[in-house]
Amino acid sequence: DAGVIQSPRHEVTEMGQEVTLRCKPISGHDYLFWYRQTMMRGLELLIYFNNNVPIDDSGMPEDRFSAKMPNASFSTLKIQPSEPRDSAVYFCASSYLAGGPTGELFFGEGSRLTVL
Amino acid sequence: AQRVTQPEKLLSVFKGAPVELKCNYSYSGSPELFWYVQYSRQRLQLLLRHISRESIKGFTADLNKGETSFHLKKPFAQEEDSAMYYCALVRGSTLGRLYFGRGTQLTVWP
Repeated sequence: DAGVIQSPRHEVTEMGQEVTLRCKPISGHDYLFWYRQTMMRGLELLIYFNNNVPIDDSGMPEDRFSAKMPNASFSTLKIQPSEPRDSAVYFCASSYLAGGPTGELFFGEGSRLTVL
Repeated sequence: AQRVTQPEKLLSVFKGAPVELKCNYSYSGSPELFWYVQYSRQRLQLLLRHISRESIKGFTADLNKGETSFHLKKPFAQEEDSAMYYCALVRGSTLGRLYFGRGTQLTVWP
């Protein structure tokens, strides 16, 4: 398994543009997480899904951010319109829970977003 | 509410010196604690978990419920230990949802 796959790896865009980040979780995993990493705030959970259903989106900064998981093998994080303060590394992670918390998330390589 | 605190953003030691990365948590229940590590240009990955009571790459961490701490220790640091380290907590009621600290960047000098 190639692990969690994210695209694009790098994105440079101008303020006001729409940004779409993509994630393919590990096959068989039933949880998917979107995290944002910045120097100031570290790793912040934005939203997570269980069996394609959003469970907790309280970390989504504002209405400009939206996330979907149309099926078990694909998720998107969209920012519209983007702003310079959205510049960060966005991580997708997936995990499999068989009846209890394991704590092990499998992370993608991240998408580095720069908004000019 | 739960919180994970890593008081040091940066930590530098020389090769062969002991290293301790601090982690404190606040949670009224029984948490499960983890350390994750991100080496340069690599994915964030699990280093160790307290329930396993294991030693990975020479690192150990003991959960101290009295002091609500889960410090990561290694008696003799190596240059390849240089990385970003994150302490994380799972609440028993929120399966799979990890709360991360802000991370500590460890640099081991030759």
